[in-house]
Amino acid sequence: GAGVSQSPSNKVTEKGKDVELRCDPISGHTALYWYRQSLGQGLEFLIYFQGNSAPDKSGLPSDRFSAERTGGSVSTLTIQRTQQEDSAVYLCASYPGSGPRFFGPGTRLTVL
Amino acid sequence: GENVEQHPSTLSVQEGDSAVIKCTYSDSASNYFPWYKQELGKGPQLIIDIRSNVGEKKDQRIAVTLNKTAKHFSLHITETQPEDSAVYFCAASDGGSQGNLIFGKGTKLSVKP
Repeated sequence: GAGVSQSPSNKVTEKGKDVELRCDPISGHTALYWYRQSLGQGLEFLIYFQGNSAPDKSGLPSDRFSAERTGGSVSTLTIQRTQQEDSAVYLCASYPGSGPRFFGPGTRLTVL
Repeated sequence: GENVEQHPSTLSVQEGDSAVIKCTYSDSASNYFPWYKQELGKGPQLIIDIRSNVGEKKDQRIAVTLNKTAKHFSLHITETQPEDSAVYFCAASDGGSQGNLIFGKGTKLSVKP
């Protein structure tokens, strides 16, 4: 089957605009993560969804960031009033609850 | 919470040589340690992982070792090839947040032909 997919692959926006990033996890995977990767840096944890449990939002950097996961499948990461420091690659990963996590190709966000 | 340190940040080797990347972790409750390879413009790809009940795991030219007492684990790549050039990330499960992974900052490996 298909792997994790993310859209768009690239997004350029103006400072102050809102953006939505989408993640389609592997079918049947109960858990889903969002990470942020700034240029040349490691992966910064943002948020984690596991089944019907309340998401772990401890990594969200500010209240401008939010995420939801509808029907236990597709997830959307929303960044409101974007700032230049939000420019990064946003990565999504899913896994079935044990074992390896599988990453998508990422969305490169550029805030002008 | 978990903290993962990774060294070195950059590593350059000649083709055919071995490469070793080391990571330490802080949370004794961590029980899962994957390694990812990230090529330019792509998402990280899992290359090998190890659980805390195992001390070593091999897959062809790649091996991972785990020392639970010292809380460190290492990636070993033998007979390196130019296509091994990439950024490698280690990670450890966060014992306090079920299922979460905390990543090291990455090692940029360059294999010179």
